[in-house]
Amino acid sequence: KQEVTQIPAALSVPEGENLVLNCSFTDSAIYNLQWFRQDPGKGLTSLLLIQSSQREQTSGRLNASLDKSSGRSTLYIAASQPGDSATYLCAVRPSNTGKLIFGQGTTLQVKP
Amino acid sequence: NAGVTQTPKFRVLKTGQSMTLLCAQDMNHEYMYWYRQDPGMGLRLIHYSVGEGTTAKGEVPDGYNVSRLKKQNFLLGLESAAPSQTSVYFCASSDPSRLGTGGLDEQFFGPGTRLTVL
Repeated sequence: KQEVTQIPAALSVPEGENLVLNCSFTDSAIYNLQWFRQDPGKGLTSLLLIQSSQREQTSGRLNASLDKSSGRSTLYIAASQPGDSATYLCAVRPSNTGKLIFGQGTTLQVKP
Repeated sequence: NAGVTQTPKFRVLKTGQSMTLLCAQDMNHEYMYWYRQDPGMGLRLIHYSVGEGTTAKGEVPDGYNVSRLKKQNFLLGLESAAPSQTSVYFCASSDPSRLGTGGLDEQFFGPGTRLTVL
């Protein structure tokens, strides 16, 4: 059974720091991996999607990497800003299904 | 494009009452999903649909029913609400036509419905 784990559960950093959020999954047979952002009381916004054949994706200050063989993904945020404060969720799509399996998220606070 | 919308945004029910949550998408997506989000549990899939007229069970389907009579709508029903169904419910949709072509298969989420069952 696929399980997705995100560590740490919460993270607090000063503004301007570069930071890494971690996601691990138990079954390497995935179709893709998606990173989401969720603001308090809001829905999920897709940040980056990495196909299983890819190693990384970049969007602005965000870079997501995928090491399928080791079951790990990281989300790198450069030069963090207070507006980056949110919960970041990682989700994997097992091969041949449309379903996503989510981690529990990392809640990030960037202090001014 | 409104994307994915959910109705209502908030609802309070008494145990045993019934209600229907409506999800609508205007992106012509084939796949639609209902998730629930609970503290410490992350998002869990309740039911999903791979096309008009189809539904399938997800991870936590008990106590819920769904219908997909129109491609753009996916309804989630609670026939007899229980306090354990207090949660935030999210609907999502995706376009499987890009599967296997190297295209993206992103799921787009609605804003959520916060349901409290007393």
